[in-house]
Amino acid sequence: AQSVTQLDSHVSVSEGTPVLLRCNYSSSYSPSLFWYVQHPNKGLQLLLKYTSAATLVKGINGFEAEFKKSETSFHLTKPSAHMSDAAEYFCVVSGSSNTGKLIFGQGTTLQVKP
Amino acid sequence: DAGITQSPRHKVTETGTPVTLRCHQTENHRYMYWYRQDPGHGLRLIHYSYGVKDTDKGEVSDGYSVSRSKTEDFLLTLESATSSQTSVYFCAIMVTRNEQFFGPGTRLTVL
Repeated sequence: AQSVTQLDSHVSVSEGTPVLLRCNYSSSYSPSLFWYVQHPNKGLQLLLKYTSAATLVKGINGFEAEFKKSETSFHLTKPSAHMSDAAEYFCVVSGSSNTGKLIFGQGTTLQVKP
Repeated sequence: DAGITQSPRHKVTETGTPVTLRCHQTENHRYMYWYRQDPGHGLRLIHYSYGVKDTDKGEVSDGYSVSRSKTEDFLLTLESATSSQTSVYFCAIMVTRNEQFFGPGTRLTVL
């Protein structure tokens, strides 16, 4: 079975400093992995996805994530946080079938302080 | 971008009443999904559909039913709403392999 664990429920950074949101996954095969972002009272937006191509994946708004199979991790990073990055972030792994079922982590709330 | 709408966007109802939420897509995607979002749980899959009249259960399907009579519409029904079904409900469509596009959500409160 597939599962995903976001290691921090809440991360606080200062504007202009790096962001690191941690995600570990469990999968019995090579999965697809995603990061979604949800701004307050909004829907979910895809930040980036890994689908077995390059292990370093670049997404929107300067975010990127690196797939590390040996560590079963898919951490999300950004060199310099902006106030508009304050949101909830979800790490997501695809299910084992071809039905497109996704398994969500519990979410990490990113706070950006001025 | 894929077009996906949900209605209603907000609803307050009483325990024991039936409730139906609608998800509508403007494209012809085969797979559609209903999730609920609760604090500390991320999103959890309720039901999904892989075609007209083809549906299957997700991890939290108890108390919910779905129907898909047309490709573009996927309905979620709470036969007899309970307070534990107070949540934000998201519909999604699969736009490419395993990638899903989400609707704006419906906030449901059951009193």
